[in-house]
Amino acid sequence: GEDVEQSLFLSVREGDSSVINCTYTDSSSTYLYWYKQEPGAGLQLLTYIFSNMDMKQDQRLTVLLNKKDKHLSLRIADTQTGDSAIYFCAERRASGGSYIPTFGRGTSLIVHP
Amino acid sequence: EAQVTQNPRYLITVTGKKLTVTCSQNMNHEYMSWYRQDPGLGLRQIYYSMNVEVTDKGDVPEGYKVSRKEKRNFPLILESPSPNQTSLYFCASSFQLNTEAFFGQGTRLTVV
Repeated sequence: GEDVEQSLFLSVREGDSSVINCTYTDSSSTYLYWYKQEPGAGLQLLTYIFSNMDMKQDQRLTVLLNKKDKHLSLRIADTQTGDSAIYFCAERRASGGSYIPTFGRGTSLIVHP
Repeated sequence: EAQVTQNPRYLITVTGKKLTVTCSQNMNHEYMSWYRQDPGLGLRQIYYSMNVEVTDKGDVPEGYKVSRKEKRNFPLILESPSPNQTSLYFCASSFQLNTEAFFGQGTRLTVV
C-alpha cells in the first residue's frame, strides 16, 4: 500500500467545516505537514505538527494527530470559496541523514455556495 | 522576496531533444529537490540534494539528471526526453532536513 493515503475529493458548503484525513505508515515520521495547492500554482505550506504533539491550532486550521492509529487530519473552520484547492498531506522521515519526504496524492476540496 | 524560481513555466519539446529546467532559490537553503506531479499519483520525488555537490536519487530518478554546483541552483536535466516524462515539475528547497519546503511555481513539460 501507499505510504501516505488521502481521499481524493471532498465537497463542502461555504461556511461549514471541512475535515481532510490522512493516514501514514511510518512510525518514525518526525514531522507531518499539510500543503495547499491552488490552480496553476506550486505548493504552499499551510501548517505542520511535530510527532510529539496531538493537536495544533492556527486560526481557522486545526491539525489533529493520532500516532497510535497513524492518522492525521486537517480541519478548516468556516470554509470559504477561497479554500478550494488541493490539499496534500506529507510526512518527512529522518532516516540515516537522508531527506525522505513522502506526499499523499492530494485531496481536492470543492467549496460550493 | 524569498522565493524558488523555476524556468521555463511551460515547455513543449520533441522526443530525444535534451532540455534543462532551471531552479534557483534565494534563501540560502541547503536542501533542494525535484518532484513530478501526475494526475492520480500525487507528488513523486525525482532527485534531491543535501548540499553543494551532494545529490541522491528519489523515488523516480530514471531518465533524469541533476547537478548542484552552487548552493542556489539545482537544474533538472533530461538528456533524451520521452513522452512519459510529460508532467508538471516542481522544484523545492528547505533550510534544514526537517523544516518546511518552499516550492517553485511549477514547469509544465510536454514531450511529443
